Amino acid sequence: GAGVSQSPSNKVTEKGKDVELRCDPISGHTALYWYRQSLGQGLEFLIYFQGNSAPDKSGLPSDRFSAERTGGSVSTLTIQRTQQEDSAVYLCASSRDRGTAYEQYFGPGTRLTVT
Amino acid sequence: AQTVTQSQPEMSVQEAETVTLSCTYDTSENNYYLFWYKQPPSRQMILVIRQEAYKQQNATENRFSVNFQKAAKSFSLKISDSQLGDTAMYFCAFMKRSSSNTGKLIFGQGTTLQVKP
Repeated sequence: GAGVSQSPSNKVTEKGKDVELRCDPISGHTALYWYRQSLGQGLEFLIYFQGNSAPDKSGLPSDRFSAERTGGSVSTLTIQRTQQEDSAVYLCASSRDRGTAYEQYFGPGTRLTVT
Repeated sequence: AQTVTQSQPEMSVQEAETVTLSCTYDTSENNYYLFWYKQPPSRQMILVIRQEAYKQQNATENRFSVNFQKAAKSFSLKISDSQLGDTAMYFCAFMKRSSSNTGKLIFGQGTTLQVKP
């Protein structure tokens, strides 16, 4: 595709349910990033993938959050037992590789609302 | 740890006028990047301009320019000839530059800019 795509665009879920958010990076981009944008915390880094290397999970807020990247392309961010404070916009970005991390292209985000 | 501060939550400017958005940051690093991103209501973050810390010359992209003061750790964005399409939230961001760089962007709180006709 032409840019980073994310699905769903919006997700409403009940507290305690699990959710999966998907990110399709730009074709050929080996580096992928997840960020969270919330009213209380602003924009914060969650996790970084580079090719087949171990991901940098230093930004994940709790063990309810996990992410994987299959085949070095599509990534899924999973939130288990969602809480109301998980309500936020989840943004995904990609860059050609780690060396071009200064040029991250963002997707439109998934707005998650936990009721 | 690095921090980025934008002290102006909201600003407005008349169309065709010039506006400056402020950003300060704190870091002990010497080698890094600074960015300004634009986020319109569509939510998609768009890179406006990037500055490499080792470059003394201020970056410029058409109507957008920065005033980078490394010693003062200040990085302001000037928008000239403001257009209605510039209405958006603007984020200042920092990224450390290193061989082990994970590309982690650290963002400020954002400034909402409204351009008035």
